[in-house]
Amino acid sequence: QVTLKESGPVLVKPTETLTLTCTVSGFSLSNARMGVSWIRQPPGKALEWLAHIFSNDEKSYSTSLKSRLTISKDTSKSQVVLTMTNMDPVDTATYYCARILTVAAPFDYWGQGTLVTVSS
Amino acid sequence: QSVLTQPPSVSGAPGQRVTISCTGSSSNIGAGYDVHWYQQLPGTAPKLLIYGNSNRPSGVPDRFSGSKSGTSASLAITGLQAEDEADYYCQSYDSSLSGPWVFGGGTKLTVL
Repeated sequence: QVTLKESGPVLVKPTETLTLTCTVSGFSLSNARMGVSWIRQPPGKALEWLAHIFSNDEKSYSTSLKSRLTISKDTSKSQVVLTMTNMDPVDTATYYCARILTVAAPFDYWGQGTLVTVSS
Repeated sequence: QSVLTQPPSVSGAPGQRVTISCTGSSSNIGAGYDVHWYQQLPGTAPKLLIYGNSNRPSGVPDRFSGSKSGTSASLAITGLQAEDEADYYCQSYDSSLSGPWVFGGGTKLTVL
């Protein structure tokens, strides 16, 4: 059974760095073509793709947020980590991690999401 | 501003048929990349509803169907039920700087 679960702080202050962890089970992060993305959704708004890491450790980032994002993985722990620097109230959102098998495939499994609020 | 354009809302009475459009461009849908659809019930994570333009994952009722033509795609829901009230998102791959993965702005389906 494939599952993904996000964890991290519920509240961060402006200018702080956010670190989120996605713990996966039911598949290995080292499996060929297997990848995990981070996607966010501000309250009442649409989904926005943020970053992706492939099984070969290749990474891809949203052009608009690239300077603030870093994605990494620890295969032995089955974890994918996203850091976002210089947080702002507009970054308040539910952050999801999701699995994708190939670049043109769908996000077939999603985590439950974690709501992060940016406020002083 | 989402790369893929969807109507903000659609509505229909129980038993009726509704469609939701998703319009892209030559760098995504028009380039031949598949369109996928997700259903997001209130307070929950998105769930894959249609993949590869018109395929249903196991467990998705055949009341849901998808199609694609040119730079657009559509999701059709027949025999509307109250439980279908949700937000629906289309998604595709994009070869421009907007991508690589892009979503529509979402459509709120209201069952009257």
